[in-house]
Order: sequence, then C-alpha cells, then structure tokens
Amino acid sequence: DQQVKQNSPSLSVQEGRISILNCDYTNSMFDYFLWYKKYPAEGPTFLISISSIKDKNEDGRFTVFLNKSAKHLSLHIVPSQPGDSAVYFCAASAHGSSNTGKLIFGQGTTLQVKP
Amino acid sequence: ETGVTQTPRHLVMGMTNKKSLKCEQHLGHNAMYWYKQSAKKPLELMFVYNFKEQTENNSVPSRFSPECPNSSHLFLHLHTLQPEDSALYLCASSQVERGALEQYFGPGTRLTVT
Repeated sequence: DQQVKQNSPSLSVQEGRISILNCDYTNSMFDYFLWYKKYPAEGPTFLISISSIKDKNEDGRFTVFLNKSAKHLSLHIVPSQPGDSAVYFCAASAHGSSNTGKLIFGQGTTLQVKP
Repeated sequence: ETGVTQTPRHLVMGMTNKKSLKCEQHLGHNAMYWYKQSAKKPLELMFVYNFKEQTENNSVPSRFSPECPNSSHLFLHLHTLQPEDSALYLCASSQVERGALEQYFGPGTRLTVT
C-alpha cells in the first residue's frame, strides 16, 4: 500500500512557463513533506520542504503548497528552465520519525522543460 | 571529499558472489540510511542507523547485511543475491537531533546481478 503517490509519471513544459508537480498522501499522521530532484547518474538532491503547520513555503522559483484536508501537496516552479529537467520525488514523514528520520517517497515525476 | 560518497558506482556480480557497498558521509551527521531504487518504483528504505545503532530494518532479506562501524561510514554486504536485486542502491545521511528531516544522498551504486 503506497502512502505517498505521484500519479503523473511525466510532465512536459515549455521554458518560461509554470511547472506544477503533484503529490497525494494517505497517512494523516504525516506532518512534514519534502521535495527532491534527481538527475541521471546522481543521487536525489533536497529541494524544498514544508511543515504541516504551514500551507505554503517559497524559495526562489520553487513554491510548495500543502492542502491538509485534501492530503495533497504540489510543487510549483516558475519560470521553468531547461536545467530543471529531472525526476522530482515527493517525500513525507510522520510524528515520531524525528528520531529515525524515516521518509516515505513517492515514485517520482519526470519533468522535461523544452527550450 | 564533501557530502556523501559511495563506492563503487557500478557493480556487476554473479549470484554466488560476495561483495560490499561502501558509503561515507562528510557532513557530521548522526544518522545514515540505505535505500533501494528499482525502475519505476519509489525509493524503498532498507535500513536506518542512528548513532551507529540500527533502528529500522524494513523486512529486508538476510542476503543484505548492513554494517555501521561509526557515524561516518556505512556498508552493505551482499551475498547470494538474485537477479531481481538489480537496482540502484542509495545511501543517505541526516542530522536527526535538530528535528530537520532533510536527508542528503550519495550518487548511488548501480548493481547488476547476473
């Protein structure tokens, strides 16, 4: 049973436009969410995170929105750049995980930004 | 060296071989993790070590044996693997005391079992 789901395996966006990557979760105990970016032949790189006490967190071109009632979060990238082309993973953590740091990952969405 | 390093980057082994994957973190973190990433699947957490003590074993078969001699080094010993164990094996580290949950990943070892 997958607790974190990224239902879109791929997304293609034109350079300069907005990219919106979505993530749904089922465990209401999750209280911290993260986005990672992964290039081929490299490990995932931490991008941005959000705590469940917030509904938005912004860092430069990247904004994460959290809708707790819908158990849904999204990552907005604007403007999108060709260098943003990568696989994006959503991850979540629950109460009590602060001692182990255990994260549950989604299956990833491949973003392609076309010049 | 900075960040999290993993060796080897690529490994091909037969089902009867014994090999080890190595991970080293240069970030002063106190927790380390092994993940498995198979094609089109989420990252699967295998093992967690906090302060060198194993705190999580996600029902991983005994043919995978982790070792954490100190908070900077993590090994994954492999023996009698199956072809379905072919995957990308990722190591990560974090500092859990601060409550931050960001994990920092190494580049991974691409393992092929023949």
